[in-house]
Amino acid sequence: AQSVTQLGSHVSVSEGALVLLRCNYSSSVPPYLFWYVQYPNQGLQLLLKYTTGATLVKGINGFEAEFKKSETSFHLTKPSAHMSDAAEYFCAVSDRGADGLTFGKGTHLIIQP
Amino acid sequence: DAGITQSPRHKVTETGTPVTLRCHQTENHRYMYWYRQDPGHGLRLIHYSYGVKDTDKGEVSDGYSVSRSKTEDFLLTLESATSSQTSVYFCAIRQETHNEQFFGPGTRLTVL
Repeated sequence: AQSVTQLGSHVSVSEGALVLLRCNYSSSVPPYLFWYVQYPNQGLQLLLKYTTGATLVKGINGFEAEFKKSETSFHLTKPSAHMSDAAEYFCAVSDRGADGLTFGKGTHLIIQP
Repeated sequence: DAGITQSPRHKVTETGTPVTLRCHQTENHRYMYWYRQDPGHGLRLIHYSYGVKDTDKGEVSDGYSVSRSKTEDFLLTLESATSSQTSVYFCAIRQETHNEQFFGPGTRLTVL
């Protein structure tokens, strides 16, 4: 069984500051890892993913995440927050099969002007 | 948007009535999924399909059934809706080449 823990249901940062959203996972097999973003009243948009290879992955909108196997983590970062980054962010894990994703509970990112 | 549409987009119904939600895709993907999103729970898998007439249960399948008679359509049915099934329902497809799931716009269901 897999699980995902996102630390902090709400994270607030100032515009221009570093964004760090934390995700830890558990999986019995090497996982596939994903970050999705959801803007108000919209569906989910894939930000980035890790499957194999380079552990630092870059995504859209300036986000990146690093897969750290020893820490079972896949934290999402962005060097400089923009107001448009305000949204709900979800970390998800797959066991490399096709039987669906397991999601964390989400982190609401608030950007202070 | 991976060619995924969901219908209806909003629905209000009463306890005990049957409800069917439709997911339609235009790109011939083999795998399709139904999730529900609730505050404080993230998204949870209800059912998924790996081909026509091939389906399996997810984490929160009780009270739901699905059918897939054509590649492009994946139906989610609540046989007798309850207030606990008030939620936002998302359909997704799996793009096998890149191991990615893409989501539809969602259906907001309210059961009174």
